[in-house]
Amino acid sequence: AQSVTQLDSQVPVFEEAPVELRCNYSSSVSVYLFWYVQYPNQGLQLLLKYLSGSTLVKGINGFEAEFNKSQTSFHLRKPSVHISDTAEYFCAVSGRVTGANNLFFGTGTRLTVIP
Amino acid sequence: DAGITQSPRHKVTETGTPVTLRCHQTENHRYMYWYRQDPGHGLRLIHYSYGVKDTDKGEVSDGYSVSRSKTEDFLLTLESATSSQTSVYFCAIGAGGLYEQYFGPGTRLTVT
Repeated sequence: AQSVTQLDSQVPVFEEAPVELRCNYSSSVSVYLFWYVQYPNQGLQLLLKYLSGSTLVKGINGFEAEFNKSQTSFHLRKPSVHISDTAEYFCAVSGRVTGANNLFFGTGTRLTVIP
Repeated sequence: DAGITQSPRHKVTETGTPVTLRCHQTENHRYMYWYRQDPGHGLRLIHYSYGVKDTDKGEVSDGYSVSRSKTEDFLLTLESATSSQTSVYFCAIGAGGLYEQYFGPGTRLTVT
């Protein structure tokens, strides 16, 4: 079965500093990996995805993530954060489930950017 | 929000009453999903649909039922609401074989 662990529930970081949000997954089959962002009182928005190919994936708003199969990780990074990046971030893994494709979500990491 | 609407956006109801939440899409996607979001749990799948009248259970389906009579509408029913079902409910649609999902704006449900 697929599962996702987000190692940090809260990450405070100063504006213009770099940030890394950690995600580890477990799966017995080939995986697709995703990061979603949720701004206050809104739905989830797709930030980036890894399906195949290059292990470094670039997304919207300057974020990128690196798929590491040997470490079963998919950490999210940004070299310089802005106040507007304050939000909750969810890592998700997809797997082949009979009947439909499903996503399994981590518990989320709340990123707070400090002015 | 990729052509997904949810109604109502907010609802307060009493324990024991039935509640129906509606998800409507204009994208003609085959797959639709209902999740609930609770602090410390992330998003958990309640039910999903892979076509008209084709539905299946997710991780936390007890106390919930769904129906899909048209491609564009997916209804979630709480048969007899309980306080433990106080949550934010999100609908999502599947973009086909690439597994990514797109989410609606959510419904905040409070059961008193």
